Amino acid sequence: AQKVTQAQTEISVVEKEDVTLDCVYETRDTTYYLFWYKQPPSGELVFLIRRNSFDEQNEISGRYSWNFQKSTSSFNFTITASQVVDSAVYFCALSGGSTGGFKTIFGAGTRLFVKA
Amino acid sequence: NAGVTQTPKFQVLKTGQSMTLQCAQDMNHNSMYWYRQDPGMGLRLIYYSASEGTTDKGEVPNGYNVSRLNKREFSLRLESAAPSQTSVYFCAGRPGQQNTEAFFGQGTRLTVV
Repeated sequence: AQKVTQAQTEISVVEKEDVTLDCVYETRDTTYYLFWYKQPPSGELVFLIRRNSFDEQNEISGRYSWNFQKSTSSFNFTITASQVVDSAVYFCALSGGSTGGFKTIFGAGTRLFVKA
Repeated sequence: NAGVTQTPKFQVLKTGQSMTLQCAQDMNHNSMYWYRQDPGMGLRLIYYSASEGTTDKGEVPNGYNVSRLNKREFSLRLESAAPSQTSVYFCAGRPGQQNTEAFFGQGTRLTVV
């Protein structure tokens, strides 16, 4: 069965600190897709990134970066120089393979507090 | 361009009452989804519609029904609400391809007393 684990329930940092959100996934499939979504206090979910299982290149987008390591089944998300606006719940998700491309498995989420 | 719109935003029901959550998208998405979000459990898929005219069960379909009225609209019905259905419900849409990112509505906070 497919599974996504976000072991960090809550993280609290002070503004300008770097923070890494962990995501570990389980799947027996060779083709799959990983996602990160952000849910700010306003409640809507916002897509951040998608990565397929054949692309292990790390990605950087401004202060955000993602580290995908198939060897450890991890897809970690780092925010550099965190800001108060980064305070949100972040979800890692997995789709494809045996669940089918329409079904996405979400982790439980990590709530990030960034204090000024 | 509204994206994915859900109504209502908030609702309180008594146990046993029924209601329909509405979702409409103007992004020409082929597939649409209903999720529920509960504390500590992330989002769980209730039902989805891969294309107009089709619906399929997700992880937690019991107690719910759906209708894909047309390409734009996908409604979720609770026939006899139970306190266990207290949750935040999200509708989402995806472009035609599988495994693409989802676009979510603002959510409906439902309380069943």
